[in-house]
Amino acid sequence: SQQGEEDPQALSIQEGENATMNCSYKTSINNLQWYRQNSGRGLVHLILIRSNEREKHSGRLRVTLDTSKKSSSLLITASRAADTASYFCATGANTGNQFYFGTGTSLTVIP
Amino acid sequence: DAEITQSPRHKITETGRQVTLACHQTWNHNNMFWYRQDLGHGLRLIHYSYGVQDTNKGEVSDGYSVSRSNTEDLPLTLESAASSQTSVYFCASSDGPAIQYFGAGTRLSVL
Repeated sequence: SQQGEEDPQALSIQEGENATMNCSYKTSINNLQWYRQNSGRGLVHLILIRSNEREKHSGRLRVTLDTSKKSSSLLITASRAADTASYFCATGANTGNQFYFGTGTSLTVIP
Repeated sequence: DAEITQSPRHKITETGRQVTLACHQTWNHNNMFWYRQDLGHGLRLIHYSYGVQDTNKGEVSDGYSVSRSNTEDLPLTLESAASSQTSVYFCASSDGPAIQYFGAGTRLSVL
């Protein structure tokens, strides 16, 4: 399987705390993306980081990428109850336009 | 606004029946994808298409087929539904190796 794996599988934090989730993958990639899925809904794109980038920011999101370790992390700062969702990393293959999604981290932010 | 819609949202069928799930996008994207989402497995790629008349097998394509006769639609057919195909199915589209836009999903139960 070319799927990545997120760690932890589940995370529960208090509102205002930071949440960090990690993604490990197996093959060389062109880029890596993070998506959010609210319960019962489709996935929504959050941020994309290219293989030649090491860090990227978007609002309260910070993503890092270490291609030598084949891993990425997503940091959500100052979490809110509305951040409660599942978060998935998706790795883009070097060839083709398909992506392989990880198994997801379920984040619960307690008000 | 451009969008991607899936129908039906919920479907119950019997083992052995043929089922077709619809996916329609108005983004004018060349790339379209079908995934299934199961607990513990995350999203797994079933089939994908890079344009009209182009179809490709993903990781879990057995028992599924797709056809692409126009840019907007990529219907997913289960030739002979099996209980193992009970899942939530997501369609997505993209313009190149970048952001994927997801539909709201179809929850399929095979009894």
